Amino acid sequence: GDSVTQMEGPVTLSEEAFLTINCTYTATGYPSLFWYVQYPGEGLQLLLKATKADDKGSNKGFEATYRKETTSFHLEKGSVQVSDSAVYFCALRSPQGGSEKLVFGKGTKLTVNP
Amino acid sequence: GAVVSQHPSRVICKSGTSVKIECRSLDFQATTMFWYRQFPKQSLMLMATSNEGSKATYEQGVEKDKFLINHASLTLSTLTVTSAHPEDSSFYICSARAPTSGRAYEQYFGPGTRLTVT
Repeated sequence: GDSVTQMEGPVTLSEEAFLTINCTYTATGYPSLFWYVQYPGEGLQLLLKATKADDKGSNKGFEATYRKETTSFHLEKGSVQVSDSAVYFCALRSPQGGSEKLVFGKGTKLTVNP
Repeated sequence: GAVVSQHPSRVICKSGTSVKIECRSLDFQATTMFWYRQFPKQSLMLMATSNEGSKATYEQGVEKDKFLINHASLTLSTLTVTSAHPEDSSFYICSARAPTSGRAYEQYFGPGTRLTVT
């Protein structure tokens, strides 16, 4: 079945450091790919998404490129801020059978120190 | 826009009792809502898809009689954990499907409910 593997945390960075959170997936066909962020005490929020190969999703300085050849969707940010501290989830939605089902990775907790 | 709330945020119940968790879409109507379960350091696992006015669709391995889902209105879905046991202790998260533009849609998530069964 479909699955998502993302790098395990926790990840601790200093402010203005470069961030990469790796995410790879296994799926049949061409899934849509997502990054969600969960701030403390809040629900998951969609951060960015990409629906086809070579698409780049971007939002709030974060970027991720849909790489079909490596089945990856790594999250990057050039300069993190303290306010980026949160848990980040990579997810996919399979196009098979019209399913709306989201398959999530385990989440990566990011802490950014001033 | 597209805010989803859950109530309660935390609940502690005794083994053998039942507990109800509410999921509400506050500023939109949601014909479809989803219920997830999250174990510590694990990913969110879809439990069931809740459709307004019809029976929920459960994922393989999820006990229908234990996790009762009711989606009686376009803004409310409830999850009732019946005869709860300590192994049901978990973080339960709901989401609601909402259109974004054209035929596109996204899931908007609630903040989750922490259930502890003693």
